Amino acid sequence: QAVLTQPSSLSASPGASASLTCTLRSGINVGTYRIYWYQQKPGSPPQYLLRYKSDSDKQQGSGVPSRFSGSNDASANAGILLISGLQSEDEGDYYCMIWHSGAWVFGGGTKLTVL
Amino acid sequence: QVQLVESGGGVVQPGRSLRLSCAASKFTFRSYGMHWVRQAPGKGLEWVAVIWYDGSDKYYADSVKGRFIISRDNSKNMLFLQMNSLRAEDTAIYYCARDVSGSGTGGIDYWGQGILVTVSS
Repeated sequence: QAVLTQPSSLSASPGASASLTCTLRSGINVGTYRIYWYQQKPGSPPQYLLRYKSDSDKQQGSGVPSRFSGSNDASANAGILLISGLQSEDEGDYYCMIWHSGAWVFGGGTKLTVL
Repeated sequence: QVQLVESGGGVVQPGRSLRLSCAASKFTFRSYGMHWVRQAPGKGLEWVAVIWYDGSDKYYADSVKGRFIISRDNSKNMLFLQMNSLRAEDTAIYYCARDVSGSGTGGIDYWGQGILVTVSS
């Protein structure tokens, strides 16, 4: 079982909100990890969006709009990237990442389509 | 604005070696941990290696451990990745990236544009 699991794709309408999940493997508690989120558009390197562990331990990337936010769903053992007021420019691939057992681990990524 | 520029990529035969370089500028390089992250064509991101700000500690992905070596030259603001015993599955775009902190555990905040490495006979 992968350390981090992300749905491969997600579609949402302009102006709506999208919740992208990053599920941690059983036995790895979401509340103990800082989860980092990145956006990647075709042909470009990833860009740092934000980091979230708790409401008292979070960081927004430089210049990242506040409509990108992070949270946790403890019942699902998942980190969540919430994008509100979706815009066409939000289309792209989104990756989560954690530091686990002496290595950085990425989720498989979610392709977000805004249509 | 932080600048990271990779070089040294290209086509290499399986089993051979290649050395990637990353020139850093517009920030105090010697104060930050640095990473290599790769992305195979059409695939997701895979973290490769990280080095502490002073080179005192290094960590590697299991997939490259024993074959790749990360190093840095703080006097020249340069990061390196020595890749040995290359395999077809090492074919990817390799990104140089900066850690938020001086260690390698702060997370990545800036990325270079990437350089393509193709391992093929």
